[in-house]
Amino acid sequence: DQQVKQNSPSLSVQEGRISILNCDYTNSMFDYFLWYKKYPAEGPTFLISISSIKDKNEDGRFTVFLNKSAKHLSLHIVPSQPGDSAVYFCAVRLNDMRFGAGTRLTVKP
Amino acid sequence: KAGVTQTPRYLIKTRGQQVTLSCSPISGHRSVSWYQQTPGQGLQFLFEYFSETQRNKGNFPGRFSGRQFSNSRSEMNVSTLELGDSALYLCASRGSFDEQYFGPGTRLTVT
Repeated sequence: DQQVKQNSPSLSVQEGRISILNCDYTNSMFDYFLWYKKYPAEGPTFLISISSIKDKNEDGRFTVFLNKSAKHLSLHIVPSQPGDSAVYFCAVRLNDMRFGAGTRLTVKP
Repeated sequence: KAGVTQTPRYLIKTRGQQVTLSCSPISGHRSVSWYQQTPGQGLQFLFEYFSETQRNKGNFPGRFSGRQFSNSRSEMNVSTLELGDSALYLCASRGSFDEQYFGPGTRLTVT
């Protein structure tokens, strides 16, 4: 039941550059989209969200873009910092929350 | 406010046994969801409880069950454990804007 797909298991970027994390979903009925960050030995922490009535939401260095026609969600982090190194999960909500498999981001100093 | 707490943090069980995990949500939160995290599979939704009622259920066998108490604390039970049940089990309580606040998880190892 792959309703949410993060096709890149890992991503490596240089400090100061932009990190772009991608997520695709299958159900056009999803109306709320979220990104979570997870460090080892901790539970995921909420990062940023966007509702289906918007196509962009920005919070500091983090911006989430939603392309409903393509059923595509992306998270931009700029500038990337070594402390951003973590696993990032996208999630979608209809009646319950569905998560992607995660993308491990490594930001190199 | 205190965050979501889960007990125990680590657990080792043998195949065929059963296990009960506990979760206490953030004070005031009435919704608790459970997830299973395994390498490469991300977070798989197990079920969600709201005001002591199961509101949603994921695609897991009946060996996985849960319940919620009047104080919103929740328990998850897995019976007849299999090796493939080894995973990190996360619970989350839901905030006002549908964001989930996760606990640190219970690492279950089945041998």
